[in-house]
Amino acid sequence: NAGVTQTPKFQVLKTGQSMTLQCAQDMNHNSMYWYRQDPGMGLRLIYYSASEGTTDKGEVPNGYNVSRLNKREFSLRLESAAPSQTSVYFCASSFSGTSGGANEQFFGPGTRLTVL
Amino acid sequence: QKEVEQDPGPLSVPEGAIVSLNCTYSNSAFQYFMWYRQYSRKGPELLMYTYSSGNKEDGRFTAQVDKSSKYISLFIRDSQPSDSATYLCAMKQTGSARQLTFGSGTQLTVLP
Repeated sequence: NAGVTQTPKFQVLKTGQSMTLQCAQDMNHNSMYWYRQDPGMGLRLIYYSASEGTTDKGEVPNGYNVSRLNKREFSLRLESAAPSQTSVYFCASSFSGTSGGANEQFFGPGTRLTVL
Repeated sequence: QKEVEQDPGPLSVPEGAIVSLNCTYSNSAFQYFMWYRQYSRKGPELLMYTYSSGNKEDGRFTAQVDKSSKYISLFIRDSQPSDSATYLCAMKQTGSARQLTFGSGTQLTVLP
């Protein structure tokens, strides 16, 4: 039981390059999330997917796209990377029923991205 | 103004000390209050959560929520070097909304 896995662990890009961050979970969770973490800013939600086939914007979606490939996988794409996208990216998942609740989120180990 | 404010520290204490970590918030709709622990170069993991007001205890950890003051706290008793991490508070509205709003985190170091 691996939980939430993310690839790659590290990446260096040049301005304008594109890349896709991959995330997979094996806990049969229906909701998945992408966050970025910057010093002094905490975790900020980029996009989330409440269930397979749906995606919604979070707090900071500009410059990113997402794909919920199936129930297990949720990818984040940077079409034209900018230095402002240098950050640590975390994927998370949760089992979120329609009744709400605390929505405990389980996080992956993160991807450290540097854009030069 | 951020919805959730958290003193970033860093906070350094000797082993065995009682640690108090705090967050304030502005959104009255928050009903679930969580504390995540994040070790260096790792993802956050849920430590404990509280629904609405009151206290919750789990071993050496106690979470307190004062909704009238919009203030939450995490107390760590008999702190250990293994408690050295960044602690993030997070909050959620009741109902079907899934989004969590995080504080910026407090970096704690417990010195042996």
